[in-house]
Amino acid sequence: GQNIDQPTEMTATEGAIVQINCTYQTSGFNGLFWYQQHAGEAPTFLSYNVLDGLEEKGRFSSFLSRSKGYSYLLLKELQMKDSASYLCAPRRSNYQLIWGAGTKLIIKP
Amino acid sequence: DAGITQSPRYKITETGRQVTLMCHQTWSHSYMFWYRQDLGHGLRLIYYSAAADITDKGEVPDGYVVSRSKTENFPLTLESATRSQTSVYFCASRAPQEIAKNIQYFGAGTRLSVL
Repeated sequence: GQNIDQPTEMTATEGAIVQINCTYQTSGFNGLFWYQQHAGEAPTFLSYNVLDGLEEKGRFSSFLSRSKGYSYLLLKELQMKDSASYLCAPRRSNYQLIWGAGTKLIIKP
Repeated sequence: DAGITQSPRYKITETGRQVTLMCHQTWSHSYMFWYRQDLGHGLRLIYYSAAADITDKGEVPDGYVVSRSKTENFPLTLESATRSQTSVYFCASRAPQEIAKNIQYFGAGTRLSVL
């Protein structure tokens, strides 16, 4: 079967660092995507991991541990515009994505 | 404009009516997808298409019909709308692995209300 767990909501302060965790169980795992979705808008691609380790892209980094079924998205130097939902999406061997319900991140001044 | 566009952006209809949501992409991506997004749920796959004239069911296909006569268009039809189909619908297309890791790119969405 497949199951994805990520926190429903998190709050952080502008300028701080926040880590959004995602645990997953999926058959035929073939990589993991993180997407950002602002309220009322479409999801947009943030990062992709297929091997274990950390992928860094500017203020955003994503980590994957395949053996633990675990990933996290790290956001540094938080800005108000980072207030959004963050969607964890493991990819199966048939290249289809399984989507988590998302973590709503609230940034406070 | 290049990209993926959905129409209409907002739609209100009544139960029992047929509704068609349109999706158009200019990248010539082979794969296209229809998802619905509801509060408390992740994106749920309704139907997908690997190429023109090739479509397949996703996780929640009941009550929906798709067609893909041309690579660039992938319309979604609700044959007889029900209140449970009130949702936000997203169309997506997928870039080839060798170019962009199979990233899915989304349209802006259609917010559908069935009264």
